[in-house]
Amino acid sequence: NAGVMQNPRHLVRRRGQEARLRCSPMKGHSHVYWYRQLPEEGLKFMVYLQKENIIDESGMPKERFSAEFPKEGPSILRIQQVVRGDSAAYFCASSQQAPAGNTIYFGEGSWLTVV
Amino acid sequence: QKEVEQNSGPLSVPEGAIASLNCTYSDRGSQSFFWYRQYSGKSPELIMSIYSNGDKEDGRFTAQLNKASQYVSLLIRDSQPSDSATYLCAVNGGGSNYKLTFGKGTLLTVNP
Repeated sequence: NAGVMQNPRHLVRRRGQEARLRCSPMKGHSHVYWYRQLPEEGLKFMVYLQKENIIDESGMPKERFSAEFPKEGPSILRIQQVVRGDSAAYFCASSQQAPAGNTIYFGEGSWLTVV
Repeated sequence: QKEVEQNSGPLSVPEGAIASLNCTYSDRGSQSFFWYRQYSGKSPELIMSIYSNGDKEDGRFTAQLNKASQYVSLLIRDSQPSDSATYLCAVNGGGSNYKLTFGKGTLLTVNP
């Protein structure tokens, strides 16, 4: 999983600020997934992207959250006007293909703390 | 609602013992099953995947799948203190074949 690069690893934001989390998938991987892990909770699927396309964003909160995976550059998870409840670990994962059973590899995570 | 349930733990075993971790899932259409290990403050690390009924062994780890009972388990033989971590069961398939549904995890402590 060392191949999936996330930054920043730790981010502190005040309520109302914006948080931007970046993810570079493993080399050769064109499928990116974002998961959120709230304290004492399991990982929850947020969004699945391919280059320039959002395939499934059913796990994203309806407001303030957005994600993109541009043709060039990393995938970005953007959280506007953060609130304390957004404090969590955000994990990016990537895979070479999407079919069932394909292994996905997680990055080291970005820990967001909202104060 | 598709759910994955794990024995809540924490589970404590002595070094050298067998640790048994259990998971049930609600979506009968699920096709792929995974066990991840997560150390505190770290990312999930895939340790086993299983797709068909029966047992799958990899070193000290054995995954067992019973689709009829919607049950998947992980056995860790000769447990070591370094195995102390939270073990996450994850399932995908059914309606969406790319979305993993995770259990909340079971914290395992192996005592020297």
